[in-house]
Amino acid sequence: DAGVIQSPRHEVTEMGQEVTLRCKPISGHDYLFWYRQTMMRGLELLIYFNNNVPIDDSGMPEDRFSAKMPNASFSTLKIQPSEPRDSAVYFCASSLQITYGYTFGSGTRLTVV
Amino acid sequence: AQSVTQLGSHVSVSEGALVLLRCNYSSSVPPYLFWYVQYPNQGLQLLLKYTTGATLVKGINGFEAEFKKSETSFHLTKPSAHMSDAAEYFCAVSVWNTPLVFGKGTRLSVIA
Repeated sequence: DAGVIQSPRHEVTEMGQEVTLRCKPISGHDYLFWYRQTMMRGLELLIYFNNNVPIDDSGMPEDRFSAKMPNASFSTLKIQPSEPRDSAVYFCASSLQITYGYTFGSGTRLTVV
Repeated sequence: AQSVTQLGSHVSVSEGALVLLRCNYSSSVPPYLFWYVQYPNQGLQLLLKYTTGATLVKGINGFEAEFKKSETSFHLTKPSAHMSDAAEYFCAVSVWNTPLVFGKGTRLSVIA
């Protein structure tokens, strides 16, 4: 298995633009997580899915953020409109069970200028 | 809610010296505990985990951690540091079918 695949690896966009981050989890993993990493706040859970259904999105910072999982092999995290404070590394992770170890993707480094 | 505290945002050791990275957790129920490592510009990689059973857990790259319920700790150790161990290390906790909560991380530097 190729692991968790995220795209793009890097994204630079102007404030106000829409940004879409993509994730392909490991096949057979029922859980998918989106985390955001910043120097100030560390790793924060944004949202997670179980069998493609969003379970907890309480970590999503604002209505500008939305996430979808249309099928078991694909998820997106969208920011619209983007702001400079959204600059961070966004990680997708997947797991067989919520309390198992997670497999992380390589992350998307987002810079909003 | 559960939480994790990693003591020391930066630890520096000499090559060949003992590595000790500290992690304390807060939980009212039995926790699952994890250590992850992150190399520059990469995702997090699982080093080891404690779920139930033996309290001394061995992981990859010669690392191990011991779950001490009385001290609510899960410190990570390695007898002899190698230059390749330089990275960021994260402790994480999960309870009652909740997602992992991560500590702030400890950056390990290894001096030749």
